[in-house]
Amino acid sequence: KAGVTQTPRYLIKTRGQQVTLSCSPISGHRSVSWYQQTPGQGLQFLFEYFSETQRNKGNFPGRFSGRQFSNSRSEMNVSTLELGDSALYLCASSLSGNEQYFGPGTRLTVT
Amino acid sequence: AQTVTQSQPEMSVQEAETVTLSCTYDTSESDYYLFWYKQPPSRQMILVIRQEAYKQQNATENRFSVNFQKAAKSFSLKISDSQLGDAAMYFCAHQYNFNKFYFGSGTKLNVKP
Repeated sequence: KAGVTQTPRYLIKTRGQQVTLSCSPISGHRSVSWYQQTPGQGLQFLFEYFSETQRNKGNFPGRFSGRQFSNSRSEMNVSTLELGDSALYLCASSLSGNEQYFGPGTRLTVT
Repeated sequence: AQTVTQSQPEMSVQEAETVTLSCTYDTSESDYYLFWYKQPPSRQMILVIRQEAYKQQNATENRFSVNFQKAAKSFSLKISDSQLGDAAMYFCAHQYNFNKFYFGSGTKLNVKP
């Protein structure tokens, strides 16, 4: 089976712009979670989608949003980018909800 | 609140030796899972081992084993016969209630040849 894929792998944006990141889960996995990883804050949970519904949400501002499509692919959107949004964004998919398999991440740099 | 604490920011081990990474967690849940993930410099997070809280037996995966102490809320990872490829960041994670994962801050493991 193919693993979790994330596109793009690298992205450079300017402050104030918006960005959309994409995640394709492992075939058959219906749960997709998103994390922000920074050197100072570690791994922080953004949200989790299951069957097109947001099931869990972390403590991030409303500028961070996501959605999941009927084929389980998920997108994450960040509007009005700030310098502090520079991070590695990780997506993870799960079949049963008890194990997560991570993608390679998208490295976002905001200038 | 669910928290996961890894008190060792960095550790070193000689190749072929054994090393233990510490993790403690705080939870009011009775049913949960614990994981160790490895993140090598390539950045891809890899699942190393998992432990169900209801199981008393410690999980083992080849050279990796855990010491799960439920009452003490402790979940340490032991790596035996360390190899150069084991060098990575190791994250302890606690999960309950359908994919609500909480990660520790990580331990950087260096393996010396």
